[in-house]
Amino acid sequence: GQQLNQSPQSMFIQEGEDVSMNCTSSSIFNTWLWYKQEPGEGPVLLIALYKAGELTSNGRLTAQFGITRKDSFLNISASIPSDVGIYFCAGLNNNDMRFGAGTRLTVKP
Amino acid sequence: GAVVSQHPSRVICKSGTSVKIECRSLDFQATTMFWYRQFPKQSLMLMATSNEGSKATYEQGVEKDKFLINHASLTLSTLTVTSAHPEDSSFYICSASNRLAGSTDTQYFGPGTRLTVL
Repeated sequence: GQQLNQSPQSMFIQEGEDVSMNCTSSSIFNTWLWYKQEPGEGPVLLIALYKAGELTSNGRLTAQFGITRKDSFLNISASIPSDVGIYFCAGLNNNDMRFGAGTRLTVKP
Repeated sequence: GAVVSQHPSRVICKSGTSVKIECRSLDFQATTMFWYRQFPKQSLMLMATSNEGSKATYEQGVEKDKFLINHASLTLSTLTVTSAHPEDSSFYICSASNRLAGSTDTQYFGPGTRLTVL
């Protein structure tokens, strides 16, 4: 199926720095989701966005559902080493979910 | 809430044997469960969508006779890889929709099963 355009593909940052990643699509989605996956584990839901324009925070994470319903971003503030992992965006319409290719985050202590 | 478990977490089998992977929603009823396959350093690839009490819907290119899916209850779906071959080695992940969480169809993932076929 059609994948979302997620960028950047990878990021190497210093502990304490802020991180921003985003997803775009040519299609409209009713729900945007952000997951984090660590090696050998399944994706864990970080933030779910249900309304266009919605801005939601979960601790140091903030995500927004684009007003056009075709994009979303995720920000991580004051990164720490345990933020390391792959972050996936997902657009959802009913049971049809499309994933981004993932952003691999490396945090240097 | 919305915890999904998978069993086994890791399995090694000989070529030609069948392997069954279980996916359970522990604290909610999941009318729909999904099975994904993930290759190293790649995103998740949807294999099939499973609705309780009905036949699974397979994505294009996924052999339904090779990957048997059963969703007999609202908390359990199984994926059986029949006559496994080395090319079936992969990371298999299930997810479940939790409509009771107040969302539409947000999916919650299991921890995955690493299958290695020798």
